[in-house]
Amino acid sequence: DQQVKQNSPSLSVQEGRISILNCDYTNSMFDYFLWYKKYPAEGPTFLISISSIKDKNEDGRFTVFLNKSAKHLSLHIVPSQPGDSAVYFCAAGNGNKLVFGAGTILRVKS
Amino acid sequence: NAGVTQTPKFRILKIGQSMTLQCAQDMNHNYMYWYRQDPGMGLKLIYYSVGAGITDKGEVPNGYNVSRSTTEDFPLRLELAAPSQTSVYFCASSYLPPGENTGELFFGEGSRLTVL
Repeated sequence: DQQVKQNSPSLSVQEGRISILNCDYTNSMFDYFLWYKKYPAEGPTFLISISSIKDKNEDGRFTVFLNKSAKHLSLHIVPSQPGDSAVYFCAAGNGNKLVFGAGTILRVKS
Repeated sequence: NAGVTQTPKFRILKIGQSMTLQCAQDMNHNYMYWYRQDPGMGLKLIYYSVGAGITDKGEVPNGYNVSRSTTEDFPLRLELAAPSQTSVYFCASSYLPPGENTGELFFGEGSRLTVL
């Protein structure tokens, strides 16, 4: 029973273009959502978050959009840079626990 | 500034052996977590703690035990290792509960465990 799904295992984007990573969830009780980024042999690091009362949050090149009716969120990275190549995890939470998706591998080609 | 430190980084166990994965944080965080990540899967919560002396089960606690005698340390014990416990284990901590503007989780580098 996957409550948080990232249906694209990988994504390849040209440097300078937009990267769009998608995430779907099933539990309407989630009240906040986060994106984490992970490089090989390192732990995940926090990237950006959004609460369920908002539909957009922006931080520099990173923007997260939330569509509550569709139970869908997306992470936009623009412009994409080679250093953005990593695994991106979507996570959703309610209370003390976070539920993570399986991750999407982003490759940014120069 | 060490952050979250996990040891060991790699370990191979035989079926039935026991071991403890160590986790320490130097940020005075109240909340600590243990996750496991299997190939192609998201991180799954094993156990978490909201403070010294308080622990609770996550999604996949079977086969594991934890303790939290100090704020800094949160060891994870595997009593009878099984091949199904082959995974990468991540310890994390946060000052507040996870949320939009609070309590982002800080992760260690992970411990790769193989049970043969």
